[in-house]
Amino acid sequence: AQSVTQLGSHVSVSEGALVLLRCNYSSSVPPYLFWYVQYPNQGLQLLLKYTTGATLVKGINGFEAEFKKSETSFHLTKPSAHMSDAAEYFCAVTITGTASKLTFGTGTRLQVTL
Amino acid sequence: DTGVSQNPRHKITKRGQNVTFRCDPISEHNRLYWYRQTLGQGPEFLTYFQNEAQLEKSRLLSDRFSAERPKGSFSTLEIQRTEQGDSAMYLCASSFNPRGGRRDYGYTFGSGTRLTVV
Repeated sequence: AQSVTQLGSHVSVSEGALVLLRCNYSSSVPPYLFWYVQYPNQGLQLLLKYTTGATLVKGINGFEAEFKKSETSFHLTKPSAHMSDAAEYFCAVTITGTASKLTFGTGTRLQVTL
Repeated sequence: DTGVSQNPRHKITKRGQNVTFRCDPISEHNRLYWYRQTLGQGPEFLTYFQNEAQLEKSRLLSDRFSAERPKGSFSTLEIQRTEQGDSAMYLCASSFNPRGGRRDYGYTFGSGTRLTVV
């Protein structure tokens, strides 16, 4: 079975600083990896995904993530945080043959301060 | 394309009552998923449909839960005899899974129905 671990339930950065949200996965077969963002009382919005091909994936709102098989990681980064980035971020994994069911991490709440 | 629509957005019910939620997926999407999200946790898979067929149910889905997608379009999730532990956000998502084709793996989630059982 696949799983996801997000290190740090809360991350606080200053506006303009680098954002780094960590995600490690466990999977016995090549995974497909996702980052979603959730604003209060809203559903989840896809930021980016890795399925195959280039391991550095660019998403919306200036976010990107790099799939590192050797480290079983898929960390999310953004060079310069904006106040509007404050939200909950979820890493998720699925594998082929599971009907695209997503297994989510417990989430990281990003706070952006002035 | 108006996205995935869920109704109601909020539902407060007394313990023991039945509740029903509705999800309208993106019209051309053949797969529909239900997830449950409790406070401070990531969403957990409940069940999914391929067209009108319910193909998998999680062990989280007790006998008090039932989901339908009668015509392969909208779906309903009913909870009978609600318990306080059912309080959560119920999320619906849809996707297009082409037969024999390359999958996109990209879901579109609705805004969810927040259930509070008092």
